[in-house]
Amino acid sequence: EVQLVESGGGLVQPGGSLRLSCAASALTFGTYAMSWVRQAPGKGLEWVSAISGSAGSTHFADSVKGRFTISRDNSKNTLYLQMNSLRADDSAVYYCAKARGPDSGAFDIWGQGTMVTVSS
Amino acid sequence: DIQMTQSPSTLSASVGDRVTITCRASQSISSWLAWYQQKPGKAPKLLIYRASSLESGVPSRFSGSGSGTEVTLTISGLQPDDFATYYCQQYNSYPNTFGQGTKLEIK
Repeated sequence: EVQLVESGGGLVQPGGSLRLSCAASALTFGTYAMSWVRQAPGKGLEWVSAISGSAGSTHFADSVKGRFTISRDNSKNTLYLQMNSLRADDSAVYYCAKARGPDSGAFDIWGQGTMVTVSS
Repeated sequence: DIQMTQSPSTLSASVGDRVTITCRASQSISSWLAWYQQKPGKAPKLLIYRASSLESGVPSRFSGSGSGTEVTLTISGLQPDDFATYYCQQYNSYPNTFGQGTKLEIK
């Protein structure tokens, strides 16, 4: 069964950094684009960032551009999100999601989410 | 950036009803649109991709239609398990964007 498992969430102070990981199993990881999607408590879904299967292209929401970096290690079947200069409004559940294609696509597999809380 | 406007934000319906949710895009997204179902405390689940293609394992009472700037999700014959929040998402271009969500409640 294809599975995505996020880790790395937690409590961090404003201005701090955190790195999220998403481990994939039972799929040809490097074949698919991957994204991070977040959801603040009681709010809707917000797309955050995406990376192509080859890692040749990356994309970011304006709200995180310049502060977040997305990367992947296809040899380890793992996706990362490096989050710097964190703000209170970055507090959310962060989901990793697999796209149906190598560059983009609907998200057919989601992780269970990892909670990030930015607070002093 | 493409804005997705989803309506209604809340929908009250009964078991057995037929309901429709609409998403309007600020510019053409062709058919590059997905629909998701989310239940409290759970990750979203893909229902429809490419505007009208049913994801494997999703009941046939879910259907999608439309293209360009207006797409719809229809649920025919609501079941108790269908009461949840629904989101549309365009993946025509980056940044991908989601609609605000429609909470489907039991009347």
